[in-house]
Amino acid sequence: ETGVTQSPTHLIKTRGQQVTLRCSSQSGHNTVSWYQQALGQGPQFIFQYYREEENGRGNFPPRFSGLQFPNYSSELNVNALELDDSALYLCASSLYYQRNGYTFGSGTRLTVV
Amino acid sequence: QKEVEQNSGPLSVPEGAIASLNCTYSDRGSQSFFWYRQYSGKSPELIMSIYSNGDKEDGRFTAQLNKASQYVSLLIRDSQPSDSATYLCAVKTSYDKVIFGPGTSLSVIP
Repeated sequence: ETGVTQSPTHLIKTRGQQVTLRCSSQSGHNTVSWYQQALGQGPQFIFQYYREEENGRGNFPPRFSGLQFPNYSSELNVNALELDDSALYLCASSLYYQRNGYTFGSGTRLTVV
Repeated sequence: QKEVEQNSGPLSVPEGAIASLNCTYSDRGSQSFFWYRQYSGKSPELIMSIYSNGDKEDGRFTAQLNKASQYVSLLIRDSQPSDSATYLCAVKTSYDKVIFGPGTSLSVIP
């Protein structure tokens, strides 16, 4: 059984640019949740995808968007990058409405300069 | 009021002591509660899940849940230097989203 994988592991972008982060879900999981974790803070919920549709969103502006594909993998896109977008981006997969805790991927460290 | 709150720490305990970490949550409809451990530069790792009122023990870890008080805690017995990390409380809310607290930094002093 493969775990959650994220790519790339590290990324440096310039303010104003756009970035795409990728996540492959754990085998058998149909839901993907994305989190942003700034340094010294807890993970903040960005959004969740189920059946290729956004299924809940945290307090993030529309320039944060996502996709889920038929194989349940997912992308997080961020447009018009700002310095404050520098963070660890975490992806977790799960079964919809399972009560178990999430297993996270290793994350993507995004630095905006 | 934030959805999940934790003692900000940092918390320092001597090796071999009991570390006590606390968490409160606001959504009364929440049914699943988790503790994650996060080492610096790494992603969070699930260490305990609890769903019913009372205590749940797993090795040196004990999670305690009191839904009436909207309170969750984690006790780490016989603390080891390798337990030094940030501990994140997470709650699956009534709208099926997992919300994290800000974390408590624990330092176990040899």
